[in-house]
Formats: sequence, C-alpha cells, structure tokens
Amino acid sequence: KAGVTQTPRYLIKTRGQQVTLSCSPISGHRSVSWYQQTPGQGLQFLFEYFSETQRNKGNFPGRFSGRQFSNSRSEMNVSTLELGDSALYLCASSYRSGRPKETQYFGPGTRLLVL
Amino acid sequence: KQEVTQIPAALSVPEGENLVLNCSFTDSAIYNLQWFRQDPGKGLTSLLLIQSSQREQTSGRLNASLDKSSGRSTLYIAASQPGDSATYLCAVNRDDKIIFGKGTRLHILP
Repeated sequence: KAGVTQTPRYLIKTRGQQVTLSCSPISGHRSVSWYQQTPGQGLQFLFEYFSETQRNKGNFPGRFSGRQFSNSRSEMNVSTLELGDSALYLCASSYRSGRPKETQYFGPGTRLLVL
Repeated sequence: KQEVTQIPAALSVPEGENLVLNCSFTDSAIYNLQWFRQDPGKGLTSLLLIQSSQREQTSGRLNASLDKSSGRSTLYIAASQPGDSATYLCAVNRDDKIIFGKGTRLHILP
C-alpha cells in the first residue's frame, strides 16, 4: 500500500505570493490533517478534513486554508506569504476521524522557504 | 490549555545503553498519547499509541508508559543502536486535536 505523498517536496516563494500544497492520503483513508513545523514553535496543528468537510481548525490566521476532494486528496493554500511561514508542512492521514484518534500516517512533508 | 513538554531537548547516549525519554502534559483529560520518531527533514513515523485506559504499550525494543493522573509518559528504548538516532516526539490527543511536544533529539554514539 502506498504511503502518504506530498507535492511538491520543496518550494521557494517570495513574500506576498501565495502557495498551494498537495497531499494524497493512503488509499482508503478519509481523514487528512495538516501541520506546520518550525524550529521555534515545533509541530502545530493547522486543520483536519474528513469527507470533504473541515472538522477541526488550529489557531492560524485566515491566510491558511484548505480543502479536500471527493477522492480524499487535500490541498492547503497559504495566501500573502510572510517570512514566518517558512516551515516544513506535514500532512497525515487516517481511516476515520473522531475519538479516540487512531494512528495517523505522515507524509514526508513540503519544505517551504519564503524569501 | 494543553501543553506538552519534553525534557531534555537533546540527549547523547553510548550505543548499547538503555534510555528513557520523558513527556509531560498539563491536562490529564486526554484520549490517547502517541510517540513518534522523526528523521532529519522527514515526516513522522508512529512508534506507539497508548489509549487513555492503558498503562503501557510495547513494540520490540520500545516500551511506552502512561500515567494520566500525573500527566507523564515515558518512552523506554532498550539496547540502543546508532539507527535509533532521531528526534522523538510525543503527542496527546483531546477533542480531535493533537498537541505535540517539541521533541527530544537523540544521538546514539557508536
């Protein structure tokens, strides 16, 4: 079974631009979560999508948005990029959403550098 | 507000030794706790998941314990190997949100 894939793996953008990251979950998984990882803040939860609906959202500004398609693939968009958005963006998939949270499987991440 | 702390931030241990990594959390009302491993520049690999009703989980040389009342978890690694070098993160789940610690960077000295 193929793992979680993320594209692109590396990205360089300039301030003010926007960016779209893609995540393909493990086949059969319907929940996709997004995380931002920085040296200073560590790993922080962005949002989770399940069956094309956003179920949970972390404490990030509205510049961060996402969506999920009918095939469970998910995209994350960041508009008006700031230097502080430079980070490793990880997505994770699981079969279900809800309590108790089952094991999530993480992709390799997209490393975004904002200049 | 749930906070997850991992101390120390970095640890170096000679190969072959047993070691313990620590994780503490402020709110004991969790659904489960999970330990992950992250290699440099890579994603996370789940090592062990402990449900709130469980006390410990074991997988090979790894053993994770959970004490909800004291807000602590430990990850025990037996007979450490150079391949165990990585960053280890713990995460607690509550209300469908996962809160991560900042991790312990482990270096096993050959």
